[in-house]
Amino acid sequence: EAGVTQFPSHSVIEKGQTVTLRCDPISGHDNLYWYRRVMGKEIKFLLHFVKESKQDESGMPNNRFLAERTGGTYSTLKVQPAELEDSGVYFCASSVDRGTEAFFGQGTRLTVV
Amino acid sequence: DAKTTQPPSMDCAEGRAANLPCNHSTISGNEYVYWYRQIHSQGPQYIIHGLKNNETNEMASLIITEDRKSSTLILPHATLRDTAVYYCIVRRVGGGADGLTFGKGTHLIIQP
Repeated sequence: EAGVTQFPSHSVIEKGQTVTLRCDPISGHDNLYWYRRVMGKEIKFLLHFVKESKQDESGMPNNRFLAERTGGTYSTLKVQPAELEDSGVYFCASSVDRGTEAFFGQGTRLTVV
Repeated sequence: DAKTTQPPSMDCAEGRAANLPCNHSTISGNEYVYWYRQIHSQGPQYIIHGLKNNETNEMASLIITEDRKSSTLILPHATLRDTAVYYCIVRRVGGGADGLTFGKGTHLIIQP
């Protein structure tokens, strides 16, 4: 069974550009989560989808971040325009039900220069 | 979610049991204790979780005190591959907020 897949694994973009991160959850997992770790900080929750609906987006830092999960399968996280402080590792996780174990992807390392 | 307190780092000899403590004195009755770990540069990995009874799986055992204010994660026979940052997380299940709140964790170093 394939795990949570994230693409790309690394991305280097210039300040002001747009970047789109993709997450493919484990098949059949209705719950999808985005997290990020910026340099020297703890892993922080960004948002939670249940199927295609945003259940909780309280962790989204500002309106430059847009997450979507059309059709309730894969999800994208777009950063537009990117700022230097957006650099970090973005993790995606999925779970079958709320409260069950979440499986994490390997993350996307985003560097904004 | 309740706050947790963990030692920043611990050492353990290879082959011995690693016992990682966690304090969660403000835990509520409907909050579970979860443990995850992050091996360098990888995504966090689920280990185990429990409510009030002790739990065991193929990776570890979780011992929760009777008052639920603290717990211990036990890796029975630590190997070098168990070197990682271990996170103790208290999480309310079934409420509106379902995301995990990661703290600083414990950096466990397994010594050969």
